[in-house]
Amino acid sequence: DAGVIQSPRHEVTEMGQEVTLRCKPISGHDYLFWYRQTMMRGLELLIYFNNNVPIDDSGMPEDRFSAKMPNASFSTLKIQPSEPRDSAVYFCASSLGRGGFTEAFFGQGTRLTVV
Amino acid sequence: AQKITQTQPGMFVQEKEAVTLDCTYDTSDQSYGLFWYKQPSSGEMIFLIYQGSYDEQNATEGRYSLNFQKARKSANLVISASQLGDSAMYFCAMSEGFTSGTYKYIFGTGTRLKVLA
Repeated sequence: DAGVIQSPRHEVTEMGQEVTLRCKPISGHDYLFWYRQTMMRGLELLIYFNNNVPIDDSGMPEDRFSAKMPNASFSTLKIQPSEPRDSAVYFCASSLGRGGFTEAFFGQGTRLTVV
Repeated sequence: AQKITQTQPGMFVQEKEAVTLDCTYDTSDQSYGLFWYKQPSSGEMIFLIYQGSYDEQNATEGRYSLNFQKARKSANLVISASQLGDSAMYFCAMSEGFTSGTYKYIFGTGTRLKVLA
């Protein structure tokens, strides 16, 4: 398996623009997680899905952030409008549901810079 | 409240020596998983080792072992025979939420390890 695939790897955008990050989880995995990593706040869980259904989005910082999972093989995280403080590395991870007794596999991350 | 606590922001170890990275956790669940990940300077998150809350024996994976002390709620990572390539950020994580029927992974703030030649 190719692992969790994220695109783009790097994104530079201007403040106010819409940004869409994409994720393809490992085939057969039924959990998908979006994390944000910054120096100040570490690795934060933004939202996660189980069988394509959003379970907990309490980590989403503002209404500017939204996430979807239209099918088992694709998810997006959208920021509209983007702000400089959104600059971070965004990770997507997936795992196979075994009650949490299995590891999450991470994508390579998307480094977002908002100028 | 912090669920995963890593009290060592940075550590140094001499090559070929062993090093212990500390991790304590907080949960009221009886069922949970504990994990360690490595993040080298290139940025990817690499899974190292897993310990289930019901596992009686400490997990081992090659040079990595997890010192699990359930009563103390600690899950320290031990790296034996350190190598220069072990220099990286290390994250402790816990899966929680079993009582709700779904689960998520919570991460600590990490420990940056530098291996000295």
